[in-house]
Amino acid sequence: EVQLVESGGGLVQPGGSLRLSCVAPESIFRSEWMNWVRQTPGKGLERVAGITGDGSEAYSVDSVKGRFTISRDNTKNSLFLQMNSLRAEDTATYYCTRGLRWNDYWGQGTLVTVSS
Amino acid sequence: QSALTQPPSASGSPGQSVTISCTGTSSDVGGYNYVSWYQQHPGKAPKLIIYEVTKRPSGVPDRFSGSKSGITASLSVSGLQAEDEADYFCSSYAGNYNLVFGGGTKLTVL
Repeated sequence: EVQLVESGGGLVQPGGSLRLSCVAPESIFRSEWMNWVRQTPGKGLERVAGITGDGSEAYSVDSVKGRFTISRDNTKNSLFLQMNSLRAEDTATYYCTRGLRWNDYWGQGTLVTVSS
Repeated sequence: QSALTQPPSASGSPGQSVTISCTGTSSDVGGYNYVSWYQQHPGKAPKLIIYEVTKRPSGVPDRFSGSKSGITASLSVSGLQAEDEADYFCSSYAGNYNLVFGGGTKLTVL
């Protein structure tokens, strides 16, 4: 079974920072659009950021623009999400996923809790 | 509030069929044939079960089928089994890198 493995979640105070990481098999990572999708009980699923296969273009939802930055290291088959100025409403399980128009691979998720 | 509208719950008895709707707009569901559906069991990550409105990934039973009419997409599950009890989410590409999701439907197998 193909595995995307996320790490880096945890408890952080409002205004703090976290860096999420995701490692994927080269066979599914290379040259593919990758995302960070978050899930909360109240707001459901939301793609917060995405990036092209070569890292040249990135997308982020308005609510995280200027605070979250998605990046990738294709030499290490790794995807990252740098999250700054975290807010309580960023509390969610964050999934690493593949695909622009649909998400065919998902990691197990990493929980981010923003609370004082 | 999610971009796509799904009923919060659906139910059916084993062996029966159930259909879950997903309503969007002409900018997402109605504008692209990129509707996808995901199944999520408690404590697990979502799993892709339908993409491009009607296509099933390898390994997904043909009891699951998708369709679309105008701004409404539908997921049908026939021959309900106990293991089908899960949350189901729809999603649609909306152009300019936007991907929108529905709020999810909890399917109960009675």
